[in-house]
Amino acid sequence: EDQVTQSPEALRLQEGESSSLNCSYTVSGLRGLFWYRQDPGKGPEFLFTLYSAGEEKEKERLKATLTKKESFLHITAPKPEDSATYLCAVTSGGSYIPTFGRGTSLIVHP
Amino acid sequence: NAGVTQTPKFQVLKTGQSMTLQCAQDMNHEYMSWYRQDPGMGLRLIHYSVGAGITDQGEVPNGYNVSRSTTEDFPLRLLSAAPSQTSVYFCASSYGFEGVAGYTFGSGTRLTVV
Repeated sequence: EDQVTQSPEALRLQEGESSSLNCSYTVSGLRGLFWYRQDPGKGPEFLFTLYSAGEEKEKERLKATLTKKESFLHITAPKPEDSATYLCAVTSGGSYIPTFGRGTSLIVHP
Repeated sequence: NAGVTQTPKFQVLKTGQSMTLQCAQDMNHEYMSWYRQDPGMGLRLIHYSVGAGITDQGEVPNGYNVSRSTTEDFPLRLLSAAPSQTSVYFCASSYGFEGVAGYTFGSGTRLTVV
């Protein structure tokens, strides 16, 4: 059974204070790793898909990286509008159904 | 382009009542799914469909029914509501089954069963 663990559960940053969120996974043959952003009261919004170790994707202040055991979502010089819950999900083996982690709640203070 | 539209946004049911959560997408996506999101549990898959007329069970299907008569619509039916079904329900769609370009989620239905 695929397992996805996100850490920390919650993170508070000051505006401009860079940090990273972690998504560690245990799967039998990774197909894809996905990052989503979820604002309060809304559905998740797709950010990135990563497929193989060493791959990186960037979008504005966010950069996602992937190793064989984990993925990091690096947030550079965050702004208050980056405050949200960030979800990680994986697909593996012969299954296309993603397994989601519980998310990291990020709050960026001005 | 509305994306994925869910109705209603909020609903309170009494134990034993039935209801249908509506989901519609206008992106001609083949794949649609229903998730529930509970505090500390993450998103859990209830049912999914890979195309009109085809549905299958996810991780937590008990107490729910689905049908897919058209590409656009994927309603979720609660047969006899129970307090354990109090949750936020999300409908999601994607062009392909794996959602390599990501799933598009609706804004959710917050359901309370009393």
